[in-house]
Amino acid sequence: EVQLVESGGGLVQPGESLRLSCATSGFIFDNYAMTWVRQAPGKGLKWVSTFSGNGGDTHYAESVKGRFTISRDNSKNTLYLQMDSLRAEDTAIYYCAKGMTTLNHHFPSWGQGTLVTVSS
Amino acid sequence: EIVLTQSPATLSLFPGDTATLSCSASQTVNIYLAWYQQRPGQAPRLLIYDASNRATGIPARFSGSGSGTDFTLTISSLEPEDFALYYCQQRYDWPLTFGGGTKVEIK
Repeated sequence: EVQLVESGGGLVQPGESLRLSCATSGFIFDNYAMTWVRQAPGKGLKWVSTFSGNGGDTHYAESVKGRFTISRDNSKNTLYLQMDSLRAEDTAIYYCAKGMTTLNHHFPSWGQGTLVTVSS
Repeated sequence: EIVLTQSPATLSLFPGDTATLSCSASQTVNIYLAWYQQRPGQAPRLLIYDASNRATGIPARFSGSGSGTDFTLTISSLEPEDFALYYCQQRYDWPLTFGGGTKVEIK
């Protein structure tokens, strides 16, 4: 059974940093693209970043480019999102999602999400 | 950026009705469109991928159609658990984008 478990969310002040983790199990982690999607309170889904599988490339939403860094540790089956220079508008539930394949960026599996609140 | 526009914003129906949800793309996405369901307090669930393929475990009352710029999600004979939010998502080009959502509510 595929499992994705996010952690690392919390309350931070504007300008601070936070690192999210997504621990996975039940599939061959290296082979799949992994993605972060966020959802601000009461709002819709927004794609944040993707790390393609098999040593592939990374992609970022314009709104987080230069501030967020996606990475993965294939030895630990874990996905990360380093978030720097956080802003109030980054407040959201952050979900990690597994792609259908290395390059297929539809998402059959999601974690439960971790809440990030940026507020002074 | 490919903009996905979902309509209507809200659909008010009775259990047993058929729901027809639309997703229109600002430029072609070929068939690379997915539909998700999200219930309150839950993560999204993939229903349909690549326009018309049901994801694992999804009941046959959910069907998807379309290609290019216009797509439809049809839910036949609505069950109580189908009243939820629905989002479309394209994977044709970066950045990946989601539609704004359609809420299917009980009339």
